[in-house]
Amino acid sequence: EDQVTQSPEALRLQEGESSSLNCSYTVSGLRGLFWYRQDPGKGPEFLFTLYSAGEEKEKERLKATLTKKESFLHITAPKPEDSATYLCAGLNNAGNMLTFGGGTRLMVKP
Amino acid sequence: DGGITQSPKYLFRKEGQNVTLSCEQNLNHDAMYWYRQDPGQGLRLIYYSQIVNDFQKGDIAEGYSVSREKKESFPLTVTSAQKNPTAFYLCASILDRGGTEAFFGQGTRLTVV
Repeated sequence: EDQVTQSPEALRLQEGESSSLNCSYTVSGLRGLFWYRQDPGKGPEFLFTLYSAGEEKEKERLKATLTKKESFLHITAPKPEDSATYLCAGLNNAGNMLTFGGGTRLMVKP
Repeated sequence: DGGITQSPKYLFRKEGQNVTLSCEQNLNHDAMYWYRQDPGQGLRLIYYSQIVNDFQKGDIAEGYSVSREKKESFPLTVTSAQKNPTAFYLCASILDRGGTEAFFGQGTRLTVV
């Protein structure tokens, strides 16, 4: 059974304090690893798709990386507006099942 | 602009009543999905459809029904058999052809009154 686990569940940072969020996965024949940002009461906003180990993608203060077992979302010098829940999900080899982790709730204080 | 539209944003259901949540996409995506999100919890899959006129149950399909008569539309009906329907419902669509895209609508919050 496919499984995605995110840690920590919650993370409090001071503005400018860099950190990483973890996403561990066991997904049969991973076809893609997705990262989303979700604000309260809204749908998840697409951030990145990673396809193979060693791949990295960046967007502003966010950088996502992928290994054979994990993905990391690095946040460099975060700002309060980066506060949100970050979700990761794995798409299986058949391309028909997107399995989500429980999310990491990030709070950045000024 | 291409995207996924869910409606309504808020929905109130009386006990014993069926309600239907709308999901429309103009991204030309083949696959569409319905997820349920409860406070502080991850997304759980209700139903998904990879092609028109075909759909599959997800992990928590009991008390829900769907149809896929058009590629663009995937409505979800929450039936009276669903005993705890109060939740945030999210629709997604995926294109897996070459690259992979997976986008979400803005959600429908359903409350039982």
